[in-house]
Amino acid sequence: DQQVKQNSPSLSVQEGRISILNCDYTNSMFDYFLWYKKYPAEGPTFLISISSIKDKNEDGRFTVFLNKSAKHLSLHIVPSQPGDSAVYFCAASEGGANNLFFGTGTRLTVIP
Amino acid sequence: NAGVTQTPKFRILKIGQSMTLQCTQDMNHNYMYWYRQDPGMGLKLIYYSVGAGITDKGEVPNGYNVSRSTTEDFPLRLELAAPSQTSVYFCASRALRTDERNTGELFFGEGSRLTVL
Repeated sequence: DQQVKQNSPSLSVQEGRISILNCDYTNSMFDYFLWYKKYPAEGPTFLISISSIKDKNEDGRFTVFLNKSAKHLSLHIVPSQPGDSAVYFCAASEGGANNLFFGTGTRLTVIP
Repeated sequence: NAGVTQTPKFRILKIGQSMTLQCTQDMNHNYMYWYRQDPGMGLKLIYYSVGAGITDKGEVPNGYNVSRSTTEDFPLRLELAAPSQTSVYFCASRALRTDERNTGELFFGEGSRLTVL
């Protein structure tokens, strides 16, 4: 039972354009969301997070948007750079719980 | 700053063999986790620990055991390896999320690729 879903396994974007990665969740009790980036043969690294009390959080080229009514969040990367090419995982947690539930990941390829 | 260190990085086991994946963190984090990632899948939680002497099961604990005798170390034990345990294993740690400035994000090791034949 996948509580966090990333329905696009892959995405290709031209360098300089916007990348939009999407994530849906089913558990309405989730109140904290994170995005992780993973390069091959490395562990995931934290990118950006958002609490359910907000609908947007921005950090440089990365912005995460949260739509609680739709149980949907998205990660925007602008402008996209070739070094952004990686697998991006969406994750969610509930009320200070100890577990993070991860999506299946989206492989982003930024074409120079 | 080493962060989270996992050993070994690669291992091939025969069915029925046992082994321990080691994990050490030097950030004085209370929380530690073991995840597995199968091809095309997200990370699934095997076991976690909220502090020394305390462990609890995650989503997929069967076939594994853990211990947490110190804050730094969180080894994962496979007693009777099975082909279904072929996966990439990630250890992670985090601090307690206390406010907005502490995102409480997980810090991951580089992973241990295990193949059971």
